[in-house]
Amino acid sequence: EVQILETGGGLVKPGGSLRLSCATSGFNFNDYFMNWVRQAPGKGLEWVAQIRNKNYNYATYYAESLEGRVTISRDDSKSSVYLQVSSLRAEDTAIYYCTRRAGDFWGPGTMVTVSS
Amino acid sequence: DVVMTQTPVSLSVSLGGQVSISCRSSQSLVHNNGNTYLSWYLQKPGQSPQLLIYKVSNRFSGISDRFSGSGSGTDFTLKISRVEPDDLGVYYCGQGTQYPYTFGAGTKLELK
Repeated sequence: EVQILETGGGLVKPGGSLRLSCATSGFNFNDYFMNWVRQAPGKGLEWVAQIRNKNYNYATYYAESLEGRVTISRDDSKSSVYLQVSSLRAEDTAIYYCTRRAGDFWGPGTMVTVSS
Repeated sequence: DVVMTQTPVSLSVSLGGQVSISCRSSQSLVHNNGNTYLSWYLQKPGQSPQLLIYKVSNRFSGISDRFSGSGSGTDFTLKISRVEPDDLGVYYCGQGTQYPYTFGAGTKLELK
């Protein structure tokens, strides 16, 4: 059974940073591209970032609205993917979901609240 | 960026009825490899989105055949037949052909 679990969310002050983690199990993590998608309260879905697998040299792609402030990374030995977000703003407040591929499996999400 | 336009914004349906949701993209979603990466997701209240349909018309594992996807190029449709209570929620289309990946704004399916 595919399992995805995000952690690391919380309340952070504007200008602060967070590192989100996504632990996975139940599939061969090395074979898959992984993504982060976020959803602001009461709003729709916004793709954030993707990291490809080793066969594609771990290439990364980012939403322009976040580029320069986010870094996606992965640790294949831990079947985990990470999202480092810096210079956080109020508009970054959202549930951050980790997804396999473009979204065949989703975790429950981790809430990030940016507020003073 | 590819803009995904979903209509309608909301739908009211009677149990057992049929509905269609439209999704149009601002550019063709045909990838260089010939595949069209258009997916449909359902987000039930308080839950994460779940994949229903991928590559336009392929039902994901465990998805009822009451859900069907069709379309090509820039024009896509999700049909739900014999609507059940568990089908209620917000439906999103999404494209994975071109970076940045983008989603429609969602269609809320409610009971009449």
